[in-house]
Amino acid sequence: GNSVTQMEGPVTLSEEAFLTINCTYTATGYPSLFWYVQYPGEGLQLLLKATKADDKGSNKGFEATYRKETTSFHLEKGSVQVSDSAVYFCALSDKSGGYNKLIFGAGTRLAVHP
Amino acid sequence: GAGVSQSPSNKVTEKGKDVELRCDPISGHTALYWYRQSLGQGLEFLIYFQGNSAPDKSGLPSDRFSAERTGGSVSTLTIQRTQQEDSAVYLCASSDQGLGGETQYFGPGTRLLVL
Repeated sequence: GNSVTQMEGPVTLSEEAFLTINCTYTATGYPSLFWYVQYPGEGLQLLLKATKADDKGSNKGFEATYRKETTSFHLEKGSVQVSDSAVYFCALSDKSGGYNKLIFGAGTRLAVHP
Repeated sequence: GAGVSQSPSNKVTEKGKDVELRCDPISGHTALYWYRQSLGQGLEFLIYFQGNSAPDKSGLPSDRFSAERTGGSVSTLTIQRTQQEDSAVYLCASSDQGLGGETQYFGPGTRLLVL
């Protein structure tokens, strides 16, 4: 079945450091890929998405490129801020049932220190 | 409304009691999803509604769980005879249509604690 694997956390960085959170997927067909973010005490928010191979999703300085050849969708940011501290979830859209069911990775907690 | 809302935000109940969780999707969104976020299982899909019908209930963990949606809008998730392993955050999401509207917008969740 479809699945998502993302790097375990926590990831601890200093402010202005470069961030990479790895995400790989297993899927039949061509799913859309998403990064959602959950800030402390808040709900899930869509951060970015990509709907086909080689698409790059971007938002708030974060980027991720849909790589079909490596089945990956790694999240990157060039310079993190304390306010980026949150849990990040990689997800794919499983369309096998004729609708979009999200399959999530386990989540990666990011802590950014001043 | 402006976003997906859920109520209550927190619920503490005793083992064996029934609970009802409510979700108000974004106005006009025809697709509605329930997910559960727990420490041991991560984020897992429970059920999907298109309009008032639920073509996929495969994620419901047991027959103690049921859900309905009325008027193509509000949905309630009911857990009967709650167990401690039901403790989790229950998330609702909506999107504007089944396949074309891929982006799901999530509510803040209901945190359920079963004592």
